[in-house]
Amino acid sequence: AQSVAQPEDQVNVAEGNPLTVKCTYSVSGNPYLFWYVQYPNRGLQFLLKYITGDNLVKGSYGFEAEFNKSQTSFHLKKPSYLVSDSALYFCAVCYRDDKIIFGKGTRLHILP
Amino acid sequence: DVKVTQSSRYLVKRTGEKVFLECVQDMDHENMFWYRQDPGLGLRLIYFSYDVKMKEKGDIPEGYSVSREKKERFSLILESASTNQTSMYLCAGGTAGFGELFFGEGSRLTVL
Repeated sequence: AQSVAQPEDQVNVAEGNPLTVKCTYSVSGNPYLFWYVQYPNRGLQFLLKYITGDNLVKGSYGFEAEFNKSQTSFHLKKPSYLVSDSALYFCAVCYRDDKIIFGKGTRLHILP
Repeated sequence: DVKVTQSSRYLVKRTGEKVFLECVQDMDHENMFWYRQDPGLGLRLIYFSYDVKMKEKGDIPEGYSVSREKKERFSLILESASTNQTSMYLCAGGTAGFGELFFGEGSRLTVL
């Protein structure tokens, strides 16, 4: 079955520190990969995507993600987090004509 | 800026009531989606539509129906609301295979 896994439900990190938010997937073919962010009581906002090309993709608000085909992973990272980055982060995979599945989300708490 | 608008941010309904959740997009994209978001379960696809008057079931269509009479409008209908349909409902538009989804702000439904 096609699936997306975000192994951490919640992660805490001190402001100014780096952190990697993990995402692995199990789908057939060559998927398109996405990260979205959800702030409290809001809809999801697009952060970045990987379609093809360079494995390291850069997105909004200083976020970047690295595609690793052999490990079927697409981890999100940022060199320095702000308290305002505290939110729920979703990894998503599109694997066939708009069949898109989301991970369960990782809640980031950035501590001042 | 692309916009997806959900008409109601918060609704409270009684068991057995018919509920309409409206979503309007100002893009020229064919695809629209309704998701349900619950803590610990992430986003689950209820229904989606590739074109006017077309609809396809997602992963959890039971208890829901949809209507797409115009390209820009995609409505989710709960024929007879039940307490287990208390949730956050997210509408999205776009073509996931070629780019990101654009989400509305969400409609938080409480069924008493």
